[in-house]
Amino acid sequence: DTEVTQTPKHLVMGMTNKKSLKCEQHMGHRAMYWYKQKAKKPPELMFVYSYEKLSINESVPSRFSPECPNSSLLNLHLHALQPEDSALYLCASSRARGGSVDTQYFGPGTRLTVL
Amino acid sequence: DAKTTQPPSMDCAEGRAANLPCNHSTISGNEYVYWYRQIHSQGPQYIIHGLKNNETNEMASLIITEDRKSSTLILPHATLRDTAVYYCIVREDSGNTGKLIFGQGTTLQVKP
Repeated sequence: DTEVTQTPKHLVMGMTNKKSLKCEQHMGHRAMYWYKQKAKKPPELMFVYSYEKLSINESVPSRFSPECPNSSLLNLHLHALQPEDSALYLCASSRARGGSVDTQYFGPGTRLTVL
Repeated sequence: DAKTTQPPSMDCAEGRAANLPCNHSTISGNEYVYWYRQIHSQGPQYIIHGLKNNETNEMASLIITEDRKSSTLILPHATLRDTAVYYCIVREDSGNTGKLIFGQGTTLQVKP
């Protein structure tokens, strides 16, 4: 089973709203990732969590706030977003066990529209 | 920046083999070649990866040249459902976390 689930599938929010994206995996993976994909562009990494600790932040604005409450869950809290933040937000996970190939598996994404 | 170069688009007839090329002339000895695909508005799907040897799984075959500067992903019998953007990515794999740097990919259109 290589399933990563993401909720919601679609989200429309105003610039003053606070919302959260959720990602879940039950593969025992210890690394989880957030990517952002604008229309007709490739995905770009935002954050990496390894063993529930933030290990990579790709200089993402503070209006995006990641959280990893446990090894199976990854959240992305959104506040005061701009219309240009409208995109497909992708979550991925990987084993991160060391000494072996570390393949990332992606969820279906959350389509975010900021009005 | 992405370390790979791929043609922006390709067509393939349904039932025929689709051969997707990728150039990675600056690949280093400990970097793997990964292939993902992304069907419209879905998450990227892992296809296959390799280091030096050719690899085959239930989805595809990966042929890596001896000098490792290029590779080809082969879908042996393309179907309409294989229409997608295909990404070739090179990355170091030490079993630790790391980012995938996606290039622009190849849009494969499978036609009836």
